[in-house]
Amino acid sequence: EVQLVESGGGLVQPGRSLRLSCAASGFTFDDYAMHWVRQAPGKGLEWVSGINWNSGSRDYADSVKGRFTISRDNAKNSLYLQMNSLRAEDTALYYCARVLRRGGSGYYSSFDYWGQGTLVTVSS
Amino acid sequence: EIVLTQSPGTLSLSPGERATLSCRASQSISSSYLGWYQQKPGQAPRLLIYGASSRATGIPDRFSGSGSGTDFTLTISRLEPEDFAVYYCQQYGSFTFGPGTKVDIK
Repeated sequence: EVQLVESGGGLVQPGRSLRLSCAASGFTFDDYAMHWVRQAPGKGLEWVSGINWNSGSRDYADSVKGRFTISRDNAKNSLYLQMNSLRAEDTALYYCARVLRRGGSGYYSSFDYWGQGTLVTVSS
Repeated sequence: EIVLTQSPGTLSLSPGERATLSCRASQSISSSYLGWYQQKPGQAPRLLIYGASSRATGIPDRFSGSGSGTDFTLTISRLEPEDFAVYYCQQYGSFTFGPGTKVDIK
């Protein structure tokens, strides 16, 4: 059974940093690209960042470019999101998600498995 | 940047009725790059449709997707009580989501 479990969220002051983790199990992690998607309270889904299977491609939403860094450790079956210079508008539930198709071409495919999310609150 | 617009914002229907949800892109996209998700309160999104018209694993056949170019449609042929939720389209050339359509009970 595919499982994605996010952790690392919490309350943080504006300007500070936080690192999110996503532990993956039930599939061959290094076969799949992975993404982070967030959802502010009462709002819609916003794609944040994606990384391909071997970390050769990484993309970011304009809203987080230069502040967030996505990474993965295939030996640990884990995905990460380093978030620096946090702002109030970064407050959201952060989901990690797996792509539908494995391999290099799978980077550009739908997200078929999602975690339950970890809540990040940026407030003084 | 491709922007997705969904309409209507809210769709009020009764169980058993047909639901037609629209997703329009600001420029033409490949059908291969269009997906639909369902999200219920307190739950993560669930993939319904990928490649504009292919149902994801375990999705009932009352859900269907169609469209090409800039106009895409999600149809629920007969609404079941569990289908009342928010629906998002996504284009995964740049991964952006539409703002969502809420399907609620009339």
